[in-house]
Amino acid sequence: DIQMTQSPSSLSAFVGDRVTIICRAGQSISSYLNWYQQKPGKAPKLLIYAASSLQSGVPSRFSGSGSGTDFTLTISSLQPEDFATYYCQQSYSDSFTFGPGTKVEIK
Amino acid sequence: QLQLRESGPGLVKPSETLSLTCTVSGGSISSDSSTFYWAWIRQSPGKGLEWIGSIYYSGSTYYNPSLKSRVAISVDTSKRQFSLQLRSVTAADSAVYYCARESLRGTPYDSFDLWGQGTMVGVSS
Repeated sequence: DIQMTQSPSSLSAFVGDRVTIICRAGQSISSYLNWYQQKPGKAPKLLIYAASSLQSGVPSRFSGSGSGTDFTLTISSLQPEDFATYYCQQSYSDSFTFGPGTKVEIK
Repeated sequence: QLQLRESGPGLVKPSETLSLTCTVSGGSISSDSSTFYWAWIRQSPGKGLEWIGSIYYSGSTYYNPSLKSRVAISVDTSKRQFSLQLRSVTAADSAVYYCARESLRGTPYDSFDLWGQGTMVGVSS
């Protein structure tokens, strides 16, 4: 399996802050990287696919970048509804794996 | 619009088989293209999000190697349903189980773009 790591595991931020979450793959995965947002008691929601493509309906304050082993999810101006847990996921290998998640909390 | 909903028992005894069904509404589970697969994913506090496996409407499957010996995913296109069976369960299989649509398998755009609400399954005697 391709191991995925995320940092930080949690962060506190103010509304309006710029937030960056890092995801690293255990081997090169090209751009086969997706980002999801999950709120308590809800299913994950796809935000970004193919490392940098914004899913339809997702606000433009969300962006993704990276390729190979290092990826970032950026929220340009954090909004109250963005407080959630964010997961990365690789689709490079036939056996998909997710990162452990980054919890974004209100400061 | 397309919606997915999981159904099945909320409690399973150890060593027995966990069986869940996902019903697709608002659209077809079949496709003339290779666009969509149908997947099972679970989430437990101990292991986070874990992909279990995916199936194409024709019956072609991919499974997580760590679960492959215990898992079977099947599809019934006439009922617009796909199902999960997980054999010989233990407490470690207690989790929220999600069904999801996997789009564009085998391309950089391969992702889970639509999810069910999830169903909690506990394993206990």
